[in-house]
Amino acid sequence: AQKVTQAQTEISVVEKEDVTLDCVYETRDTTYYLFWYKQPPSGELVFLIRRNSFDEQNEISGRYSWNFQKSTSSFNFTITASQVVDSAVYFCALSDPMNSGYSTLTFGKGTMLLVSP
Amino acid sequence: EPEVTQTPSHQVTQMGQEVILRCVPISNHLYFYWYRQILGQKVEFLVSFYNNEISEKSEIFDDQFSVERPDGSNFTLKIRSTKLEDSAMYFCASSRSGIGDTQYFGPGTRLTVL
Repeated sequence: AQKVTQAQTEISVVEKEDVTLDCVYETRDTTYYLFWYKQPPSGELVFLIRRNSFDEQNEISGRYSWNFQKSTSSFNFTITASQVVDSAVYFCALSDPMNSGYSTLTFGKGTMLLVSP
Repeated sequence: EPEVTQTPSHQVTQMGQEVILRCVPISNHLYFYWYRQILGQKVEFLVSFYNNEISEKSEIFDDQFSVERPDGSNFTLKIRSTKLEDSAMYFCASSRSGIGDTQYFGPGTRLTVL
């Protein structure tokens, strides 16, 4: 069973559009952690955000915002006014210590975002 | 800003050869990890390392793989006898603490097995 589902394989938008990347997770732990990473064409993995299961407050960082909803097991990521530099693969990841291990990150398959000028 | 570094950036090897991938974690981090990403696929956990021993490993991390912290700064992944299916990007990561802490990734080493 897939523990982290990113149903959108690829999204194409035009610059300045808003875009939301979906992430649905599955865990039996009550304490768990969710992450988003960005993988630009150069290949590195860049950390974007970490959220623990007890903190459902939405977060905004510049043009980026995250919507964590435990009721639907979702941790969605929105980019407002997208730019060409946002073009990358975005990965959602889950750390659920009691279930998968104390240090394992389980990644989704990623969503490729293409922002055209 | 401190970052994880990895060498080499690209390694080409013949099937059956041994390879060692090197990583320098962030200096005040205590937990170290290796992940791999086969081209176009998701990132997969291989192993975690703390206090000079393996703390967790996945099914992928079989007897062909080993990890070592040979000195106070380097962290290595050795593949004893490479197979074609070992071709992938290998990422090293580190974190300050263990459970649920943010793992910071290096730029990766692309391993090509011919």
